Amino acid sequence: GAVVSQHPSWVICKSGTSVKIECRSLDFQATTMFWYRQFPKQSLMLMATSNEGSKATYEQGVEKDKFLINHASLTLSTLTVTSAHPEDSSFYICSARKAGGVNTEAFFGQGTRLTVV
Amino acid sequence: GESVGLHLPTLSVQEGDNSIINCAYSNSASDYFIWYKQESGKGPQFIIDIRSNMDKRQGQRVTVLLNKTVKHLSLQIAATQPGDSAVYFCAENKDTGRRALTFGSGTRLQVQP
Repeated sequence: GAVVSQHPSWVICKSGTSVKIECRSLDFQATTMFWYRQFPKQSLMLMATSNEGSKATYEQGVEKDKFLINHASLTLSTLTVTSAHPEDSSFYICSARKAGGVNTEAFFGQGTRLTVV
Repeated sequence: GESVGLHLPTLSVQEGDNSIINCAYSNSASDYFIWYKQESGKGPQFIIDIRSNMDKRQGQRVTVLLNKTVKHLSLQIAATQPGDSAVYFCAENKDTGRRALTFGSGTRLQVQP
């Protein structure tokens, strides 16, 4: 299967700082990537859809200025949590689906555990 | 947000037994469904998928059943093993234009040796 890689796997940052999370599709091109957030013992909640070469589409209630998304190439999307606060601590997961298909599986990264202290 | 759960229901089974995990999906127009397995601290791992023009699909030790009449999806795991212990999520393709998956609330499977 295709591989999606996230970096870092975990990060601890101080309140008020910004953190960047990278999501790469290693062996396929992804015009669209998706960012999810998962709190403990809960499901994955879609935050935004990252579109290569254009603005991301954010879900209702997700602050676009807080969670900056950049999709600069067909294999890389980044999520930057700006001015992080303890309530931003969560597990962030990206996914990508191969270009050209709709009903195809989505491949997920291994996730990034963010802890804001 | 969608599909937020306050807690994860748990299914406990004995090693070697069959497991059935259920999921109710929300959109009758959804045309594609996937079951994912998530181990602690990891991203979701694909198990099996099914399109809405099917009602059953089998893989290795797993079977997915789709009942569109009642919007119900189930995952059957045969001869459950300790390595199957994880949280299982169903996901649906609600909006083909956006191609983002919407996840169900999840079920924790605990396999007792």
